[in-house]
Amino acid sequence: ETGVTQTPRHLVMGMTNKKSLKCEQHLGHNAMYWYKQSAKKPLELMFVYSLEERVENNSVPSRFSPECPNSSHLFLHLHTLQPEDSALYLCASSQTGSTEAFFGQGTRLTVV
Amino acid sequence: GIQVEQSPPDLILQEGANSTLRCNFSDSVNNLQWFHQNPWGQLINLFYIPSGTKQNGRLSATTVATERYSLLYISSSQTTDSGVYFCAVEGGTGGFKTIFGAGTRLFVKA
Repeated sequence: ETGVTQTPRHLVMGMTNKKSLKCEQHLGHNAMYWYKQSAKKPLELMFVYSLEERVENNSVPSRFSPECPNSSHLFLHLHTLQPEDSALYLCASSQTGSTEAFFGQGTRLTVV
Repeated sequence: GIQVEQSPPDLILQEGANSTLRCNFSDSVNNLQWFHQNPWGQLINLFYIPSGTKQNGRLSATTVATERYSLLYISSSQTTDSGVYFCAVEGGTGGFKTIFGAGTRLFVKA
């Protein structure tokens, strides 16, 4: 059983929908990450939160909006997505001072 | 930024065979991890190995930081070893910018 849990595991949404991805970690870490994995491309870091403050935003379009209400929870709010946003979205956590990251199972998103 | 190259990109093995996966990186790194991504997408930590050698059962890894490469050894491969193996590094400027390689896709035949 992973210490990082993502919900939902699968999501199909229309381009006009609004949805949110949720990530919860039970490892006592204080840094959390969102990654995007598209077919045939390396994992791309999207956002990093450390001590609940955003420390990285890798030129991600504004239709992706992260939220970190506390060190155990991370959300990715989605609105007006495009079909090319279909991908596996992975959440990870680590302890500040160490970049040994632990990943959730991912949410497989399909935008139709 | 740091470039991470993994080889080979694809590998097919007969069950029981041994293999070596390689990760080259273009600059000094603070940290290096090896992951196995199973067919369901889960990334499983294998090794956290910025330098030196570690072993865990049939798997072992060696990182030679001065020569900017890491190797992952899989011995007596099993069908459950199939999946994609990623190397990920964190660069010398610190922070949280972990860079992943493109992965080695392994298929182990029964």
